Amino acid sequence: GQQLNQSPQSMFIQEGEDVSMNCTSSSIFNTWLWYKQDPGEGPVLLIALYKAGELTSNGRLTAQFGITRKDSFLNISASIPSDVGIYFCAGPGSSNTGKLIFGQGTTLQVKP
Amino acid sequence: KAGVTQTPRYLIKTRGQQVTLSCSPISGHRSVSWYQQTPGQGLQFLFEYFSETQRNKGNFPGRFSGRQFSNSRSEMNVSTLELGDSALYLCASSLQGGSRTGELFFGEGSRLTVL
Repeated sequence: GQQLNQSPQSMFIQEGEDVSMNCTSSSIFNTWLWYKQDPGEGPVLLIALYKAGELTSNGRLTAQFGITRKDSFLNISASIPSDVGIYFCAGPGSSNTGKLIFGQGTTLQVKP
Repeated sequence: KAGVTQTPRYLIKTRGQQVTLSCSPISGHRSVSWYQQTPGQGLQFLFEYFSETQRNKGNFPGRFSGRQFSNSRSEMNVSTLELGDSALYLCASSLQGGSRTGELFFGEGSRLTVL
């Protein structure tokens, strides 16, 4: 079945550093999504990508939809303590529905 | 605008019991999806309901079931609980239509512990 592989699994960085994480798949996705989950909360959508090659920013976050449609990356610039959490990539398991396939997540810790 | 509301937030059950979890979607959202989150398996899709009909189902045994009411509120039920059912159960709602697949709004989850 469809799977998404995220890397790295975890990151421990200093406040102010830039962060990069990526997500790959053996199959094509027509939509790539990045979610963040804070402790004790549900995931929150950060960025949605709908077109191959698309580069989208949301504040200090930038994400790109790979040209092959089999990968995506998320960058966080100038990290701050509140960036701590688990970041998930996701893609639709079927079109126009609420079924998503999630990656395993990247746990980010930021040292002040 | 109120977010997705899940109840209860925490519950403890014993093996063999059954449990019902409730989800109230964002007003106007007609699609409700359920996910199971565990440290080992991550976020896994359980099922999705739209207009009181199950539209998609994940690879979970028949002990896991759900339903949606006419006001879009949804419940999921797990019967004959097993230790491995301990997890955070997340509900997500979304609007129907358009190409904006994946714009799900999650609740805070119901954390189930099976002893």
